Amino acid sequence: GENVEQHPSTLSVQEGDSAVIKCTYSDSASNYFPWYKQELGKGPQLIIDIRSNVGEKKDQRIAVTLNKTAKHFSLHITETQPEDSAVYFCAASAAGNQFYFGTGTSLTVIP
Amino acid sequence: NAGVTQTPKFQVLKTGQSMTLQCAQDMNHNSMYWYRQDPGMGLRLIYYSASEGTTDKGEVPNGYNVSRLNKREFSLRLESAAPSQTSVYFCASNPNYSNQPQHFGDGTRLSIL
Repeated sequence: GENVEQHPSTLSVQEGDSAVIKCTYSDSASNYFPWYKQELGKGPQLIIDIRSNVGEKKDQRIAVTLNKTAKHFSLHITETQPEDSAVYFCAASAAGNQFYFGTGTSLTVIP
Repeated sequence: NAGVTQTPKFQVLKTGQSMTLQCAQDMNHNSMYWYRQDPGMGLRLIYYSASEGTTDKGEVPNGYNVSRLNKREFSLRLESAAPSQTSVYFCASNPNYSNQPQHFGDGTRLSIL
């Protein structure tokens, strides 16, 4: 099955700086890559996703990049704010297959 | 906008007891999922139901059973709870199985003594 690795496991940044979280996957058939944000005591919420026919996608301060050749994708958060502090998960899936999640990154934005 | 609702939110069981975790979604989604979340291990799929009337095993199904009661409801049963099943359990749904965003409930925190 698919194996998704996520780094780093913890990340601290100063408010206003950028944060980058990276994931790699093993199954070349994977073609959908969502990112989830999980706040304390809550379930994961989708923040952005990308499909394999696109190399980059942006939504305000959040962007995701995908390199299919290298089998990795990254989440970029610019101008970080304290409310960005949370645990972030990447995931990958192929058509007709289940989702596989990374192990999560705990992001702390220091005011 | 209820989305995905899980009950109960917290539960403490003794080893060997049984319990059913309930999940309901109001988004008319066809597919529903049960995950467990353990520290440092991300989300692992226990069982899923791609459509009403079907259920399939995920990555970690041992010790669990599921029932897709109707299109809205998907329950997870622990027949004889073990301490290794102490975890946070999340239910999720999406329109049609793979390659579509999943919507998650807020979880059930289960401790087994």
